[in-house]
Amino acid sequence: DTGVSQDPRHKITKRGQNVTFRCDPISEHNRLYWYRQTLGQGPEFLTYFQNEAQLEKSRLLSDRFSAERPKGSFSTLEIQRTEQGDSAMYLCASSSTPGQGRETQYFGPGTRLLVL
Amino acid sequence: SQQGEEDPQALSIQEGENATMNCSYKTSINNLQWYRQNSGRGLVHLILIRSNEREKHSGRLRVTLDTSKKSSSLLITASRAADTASYFCAETSGSRLTFGEGTQLTVNP
Repeated sequence: DTGVSQDPRHKITKRGQNVTFRCDPISEHNRLYWYRQTLGQGPEFLTYFQNEAQLEKSRLLSDRFSAERPKGSFSTLEIQRTEQGDSAMYLCASSSTPGQGRETQYFGPGTRLLVL
Repeated sequence: SQQGEEDPQALSIQEGENATMNCSYKTSINNLQWYRQNSGRGLVHLILIRSNEREKHSGRLRVTLDTSKKSSSLLITASRAADTASYFCAETSGSRLTFGEGTQLTVNP
């Protein structure tokens, strides 16, 4: 399978705990995006990387959230001191650099987080 | 923050009928994309229409774009039960996608 993969698919944690999610993009894509989706809503942009550089962060990404893409391949999203409001589906997507018909973002299956 | 609205929020039709979903957006776009999401799953890309295009087809899908009205529509012809899903439009300005709230389509067999 050469699509975007995410791990874990589901995570249940207690409030105050830290969690980390991983995303492996399509191998030839240099851009990687994180989105968050709550029930009944469309996904909301969190941040994106071009290669290893984090180029844009949404104001939704509070200080408790950090994302990395150390070698320009896979990425991790960490949430520290989780709160119940962090419960959501966390989606990762990847794409080539936009231009020449390569704007499409391809999404992974998501990680569903439940904070108790 | 979420931008744009989709209409209707929910649509229920019989197999074989056509389904039309509308999307309005607020910014100047580079392109607009439509995605499908089955319950609790990731998003599947359906079609991309550029700001200088007015209509695009892909199989049973037809997308139109009216930049003067900042609106787009997705038509699914000859619907099937397997088309049951949530459908989202996403405007692209810059690098991020900005999604609407989606239309929940139910196709009854």
